[in-house]
Amino acid sequence: EDQVTQSPEALRLQEGESSSLNCSYTVSGLRGLFWYRQDPGKGPEFLFTLYSAGEEKEKERLKATLTKKESFLHITAPKPEDSATYLCAVEGGATNKLIFGTGTLLAVQP
Amino acid sequence: DAMVIQNPRYQVTQFGKPVTLSCSQTLNHNVMYWYQQKSSQAPKLLFHYYDKDFNNEADTPDNFQSRRPNTSFCFLDIRSPGLGDTAMYLCATSRDKVDTQYFGPGTRLTVL
Repeated sequence: EDQVTQSPEALRLQEGESSSLNCSYTVSGLRGLFWYRQDPGKGPEFLFTLYSAGEEKEKERLKATLTKKESFLHITAPKPEDSATYLCAVEGGATNKLIFGTGTLLAVQP
Repeated sequence: DAMVIQNPRYQVTQFGKPVTLSCSQTLNHNVMYWYQQKSSQAPKLLFHYYDKDFNNEADTPDNFQSRRPNTSFCFLDIRSPGLGDTAMYLCATSRDKVDTQYFGPGTRLTVL
């Protein structure tokens, strides 16, 4: 069964304390892995798409990497405004639909 | 800026009273999606349109219907909302079936 698991469920960091969020997946024939940021009461905001193992993408303090079984979202020197839920989703398998993880709730304290 | 717009942002309705949620896009994307997201859960796909072709998920209740009168607009109709339909409803679009999906801000629906 196609599945996406994110860890940890919640993460509390001090401002400037770098860390990584994990997204592990089982899907046959990965077509794409997507990272989104979701603020409370808002829709998911697109961050990155990764297509193949070894691919990396960066945006400001965020860097996403992909292996054959998992993806990491690295946050370097986070700021309080990085606080949000980070969702990972994969597209692949027998259907074309996105399979979402349940997200990691990140809180960055000043 | 090209974007996905949802109206209203907040909707309160009575149990059993029909409600319609609206989504419009200026991205000229072929595919439009409706998701339901309950508190602290992942978004759950209800259905999608690829151009005019409607695709319903097997576990989407019959109570939920959708219309796409043109490329830019898509509507979600809930014919007889129940208390369990209280959720955030998200509209998303993508250029093609296997492509990045861009989400609107969502409509927060409360059924009393």
